[in-house]
Amino acid sequence: DAKTTQPNSMESNEEEPVHLPCNHSTISGTDYIHWYRQLPSQGPEYVIHGLTSNVNNRMASLAIAEDRKSSTLILHRATLRDAAVYYCILPAVAARQLTFGSGTQLTVLP
Amino acid sequence: DAGVIQSPRHEVTEMGQEVTLRCKPISGHNSLFWYRQTMMRGLELLIYFNNNVPIDDSGMPEDRFSAKMPNASFSTLKIQPSEPRDSAVYFCASRQGFGEQFFGPGTRLTVL
Repeated sequence: DAKTTQPNSMESNEEEPVHLPCNHSTISGTDYIHWYRQLPSQGPEYVIHGLTSNVNNRMASLAIAEDRKSSTLILHRATLRDAAVYYCILPAVAARQLTFGSGTQLTVLP
Repeated sequence: DAGVIQSPRHEVTEMGQEVTLRCKPISGHNSLFWYRQTMMRGLELLIYFNNNVPIDDSGMPEDRFSAKMPNASFSTLKIQPSEPRDSAVYFCASRQGFGEQFFGPGTRLTVL
């Protein structure tokens, strides 16, 4: 899997947007960008993934830089339930497994 | 669907005892993964199966660990003998093709 770099922690105020960055300068042309999150005392859960174009779903948006060397996960209105560790992962095309780094611990302040 | 089911949710055992963790993947999923999570090492892949066949077990720490998948709806992870350093949360996940992975709630193992 290509290497990713994320900040260890971030804070946000409730009901404000949150932008979680991920650098992946060694990304290859076929690497998808996946985001998972892990809520306290739960298993990880899928958030979103994309290849080149920006992506939106009910949980979040994924903004991918034009050169694909970085991406940003956007939570449009953070809630207390969004407090979690967010992982940015670039699994190899042929790989079925995910390699989790240390992720970003998001704290949402009321 | 009930999602990925793991049992037990908590296990406390003494060093040297055999421990068996169980997982029922989501029906129709053809890949199953076992992960271990500790504060020191984070979330690590132990082994994964595709169509009930072990594909990559390079993450299994040592011979004390073994995993089986006798059919598409059941898998076990066994530790024999267990040691205190095996204490961790063990997650099972399943997946259809190259889609998203769905994780179970985990088994918290404590080896005294």
